[in-house]
Amino acid sequence: SQTIHQWPATLVQPVGSPLSLECTVEGTSNPNLYWYRQAAGRGLQLLFYSVGIGQISSEVPQNLSASRPQDRQFILSSKKLLLSDSGFYLCAWSVRDYATGELFFGEGSRLTVL
Amino acid sequence: GQNIDQPTEMTATEGAIVQINCTYQTSGFNGLFWYQQHAGEAPTFLSYNVLDGLEEKGRFSSFLSRSKGYSYLLLKELQMKDSASYLCAASSGGSYIPTFGRGTSLIVHP
Repeated sequence: SQTIHQWPATLVQPVGSPLSLECTVEGTSNPNLYWYRQAAGRGLQLLFYSVGIGQISSEVPQNLSASRPQDRQFILSSKKLLLSDSGFYLCAWSVRDYATGELFFGEGSRLTVL
Repeated sequence: GQNIDQPTEMTATEGAIVQINCTYQTSGFNGLFWYQQHAGEAPTFLSYNVLDGLEEKGRFSSFLSRSKGYSYLLLKELQMKDSASYLCAASSGGSYIPTFGRGTSLIVHP
């Protein structure tokens, strides 16, 4: 069966510090991968998605970046965090080339920037 | 752009029926998802509608009208564990990536 894990689950970071969130998927090959952010009182906002190694599409201009160094690994990074980066970050995967496929989400990473 | 609207909050009584509405405006519409999200947890998939009509899955049903840009999620025989946020999401375009609404927080009370 397929599983998705992301870490860390919770982190508190000062403004201006770097960030690295990691996500890995097991049990499937060539998945589409996604990073979403959910701020308090707001919906899920798509940040990045990837259809293959090294292929990253950015949806929202910001100080975040994403990388996909391996087929089932997706990393969200920042060089300098802002207060507005606080939120619940969710990694997700879907079956590639299955247009109606559902998203499978990781457990989420709650980031608080102070 | 895309616009998805759903009520912010609803309350209902255990054992009752509740309908959560969602309207969407999007070009190149493909289909409509519903997800359930308990507080502090990740969303989980409930349903996907691509054709007009009602799809039933146990206590949960989802309806879609493409011509009206409208969907609803119907929850029957409500249980306390159904208290959660329900997210409506529309996929469109060639990428089929869903755009989410802000979610409806459902509170089920005894």
